[in-house]
Amino acid sequence: DAGVTQSPTHLIKTRGQQVTLRCSPKSGHDTVSWYQQALGQGPQFIFQYYEEEERQRGNFPDRFSGHQFPNYSSELNVNALLLGDSALYLCASSLPDRGYNEQFFGPGTRLTVL
Amino acid sequence: AQKITQTQPGMFVQEKEAVTLDCTYDTSDPSYGLFWYKQPSSGEMIFLIYQGSYDQQNATEGRYSLNFQKARKSANLVISASQLGDSAMYFCVNFGNEKLTFGTGTRLTIIP
Repeated sequence: DAGVTQSPTHLIKTRGQQVTLRCSPKSGHDTVSWYQQALGQGPQFIFQYYEEEERQRGNFPDRFSGHQFPNYSSELNVNALLLGDSALYLCASSLPDRGYNEQFFGPGTRLTVL
Repeated sequence: AQKITQTQPGMFVQEKEAVTLDCTYDTSDPSYGLFWYKQPSSGEMIFLIYQGSYDQQNATEGRYSLNFQKARKSANLVISASQLGDSAMYFCVNFGNEKLTFGTGTRLTIIP
């Protein structure tokens, strides 16, 4: 049973560029959430996708956008990269609307913006 | 809105001793869940333990137990018989409104 996978593992970009990160959820999970974890901080919720739609969103600018495909995999896109976007991006998958919401995390993508 | 407070940025503990990591929370949700996750230097977030707000008993998972005091809004993690492999960042997390809210974390270092 494959867990949550993310690609790429590491990425280096320059300011102003655009980046796409990918996530495949755990088998049987249909909800994907994305988190940004800056160095030395706790993860911050970016947004969540369910049934190919953004269900809710944290306090992130419109430069951060996403997509969910029919197979439940998801992409996170960041436009016009800033130095402050350098972080570990974590993807978590879950089943929706359960009293006990298990969220399984992937290994993350470490983005460095120069 | 939910808020998690972890007041211990770092802790050093002798191997085989027990350790308590502090966590207080603030939420307006009548029903909520509290998690503890471990994050080693590799970066992956590892689930340790879960406590539901209506659970009557404190949660336990092997060497991990959660000291849940609802009236004080605290959910401290207790690790018994600490091991070198327990060295990592530990996050207290609130589940509410279908999303997780993380604390700032405690870096635990186990000393041989």
